[in-house]
Amino acid sequence: DVKVTQSSRYLVKRTGEKVFLECVQDMDHENMFWYRQDPGLGLRLIYFSYDVKMKEKGDIPEGYSVSREKKERFSLILESASTNQTSMYLCASTGSGTGVYEQYFGPGTRLTVT
Amino acid sequence: SQQGEEDPQALSIQEGENATMNCSYKTSINNLQWYRQNSGRGLVHLILIRSNEREKHSGRLRVTLDTSKKSSSLLITASRAADTASYFCATDAREYGNKLVFGAGTILRVKS
Repeated sequence: DVKVTQSSRYLVKRTGEKVFLECVQDMDHENMFWYRQDPGLGLRLIYFSYDVKMKEKGDIPEGYSVSREKKERFSLILESASTNQTSMYLCASTGSGTGVYEQYFGPGTRLTVT
Repeated sequence: SQQGEEDPQALSIQEGENATMNCSYKTSINNLQWYRQNSGRGLVHLILIRSNEREKHSGRLRVTLDTSKKSSSLLITASRAADTASYFCATDAREYGNKLVFGAGTILRVKS
């Protein structure tokens, strides 16, 4: 059974703190993604990675960075958390090859920045 | 602006009725996918339809794709309370590279 796990379901942080969100997949997928989800806006892509140590900016990378040191793990970093980063964060992974395939999602981390 | 936009934004029906959700998009696509999200959880893939396909079925789900109108519909037949969730379409287009672009979703409530 395929699995994408995220380090926390709920997280409360203070403004200015450095925040780490971790995602692990057990499907040997090359591609991994970080999205944020806000009401009425759907999912917006923050960063994605198509290989170890490779990363590409998505649609809203400002205020975020990522790390992919191992194939199975993709971390999202908020260098200095701000209240406008309060959101649901979703990690996903998918295999490689020609075309785009279904994405497997983790359960999400609901982050509140106070 | 978003590539895919779902319509309606919210839908409330009785158990046993059919639910239809629509998705419109702007650019030519390679494929279109539908996902379900139960409250506060991650998304689950439902079905993928390629640009050269017009209709696809999976259990009680039926998806149609009209590339001339740049639209897709998801039909859930004989709905159940457990179908209560948000439903998202996501498009894969050459213009967007190796990424999916999601719409804002339709919230479906099935009353028992």
